[in-house]
Amino acid sequence: DAGVTQSPTHLIKTRGQQVTLRCSPISGHKSVSWYQQVLGQGPQFIFQYYEKEERGRGNFPDRFSARQFPNYSSELNVNALLLGDSALYLCASSRPRGMNTEAFFGQGTRLTVV
Amino acid sequence: GQQVMQIPQYQHVQEGEDFTTYCNSSTTLSNIQWYKQRPGGHPVFLIQLVKSGEVKKQKRLTFQFGEAKKNSSLHITATQTTDVGTYFCATSGSARQLTFGSGTQLTVLP
Repeated sequence: DAGVTQSPTHLIKTRGQQVTLRCSPISGHKSVSWYQQVLGQGPQFIFQYYEKEERGRGNFPDRFSARQFPNYSSELNVNALLLGDSALYLCASSRPRGMNTEAFFGQGTRLTVV
Repeated sequence: GQQVMQIPQYQHVQEGEDFTTYCNSSTTLSNIQWYKQRPGGHPVFLIQLVKSGEVKKQKRLTFQFGEAKKNSSLHITATQTTDVGTYFCATSGSARQLTFGSGTQLTVLP
């Protein structure tokens, strides 16, 4: 079975531009979460979507937005990019129910803002 | 929200030595998860602990959840070069949002 897939793997953008990152969860997983990982730190929660609805939002500005599609894939959009947005953006999917909340991460999108 | 503190930030060991990383919280945690991230890679789930005082083993790795459910540890016996990476603890709330610690970067010297 395919794992969580993200695209693109690497991206270079200029300050002020907009970027869209994409994620396909593991088949059967309906929950998708986005995390930002700055070099040397742990991942920081940005958004969680379940059944196409936003279920959680981290402490990120409104420049960050996301959505989930009927096939459970997801997009993360960041507007008006700042240098500080340079990071590894991770998508994770998890099983639909149960006590095990294990997150399966994709390989990430490395965003560099110049 | 919940926060988890992790120490040490870095650890260098000789191959064959043991390694331990600690995760602490000021509040009671419903669960603790541990992830490993290899250099240039993504976090990979290792284990989840949910019960007070729980101890789980995976080969050379031993995971513990404190009696008060406010701390956890990961111990690796006789480290190998394949153990290199950053180890993160994390906790999830009812919405399955993960709060990660800052990680412990393990270097194993051959």
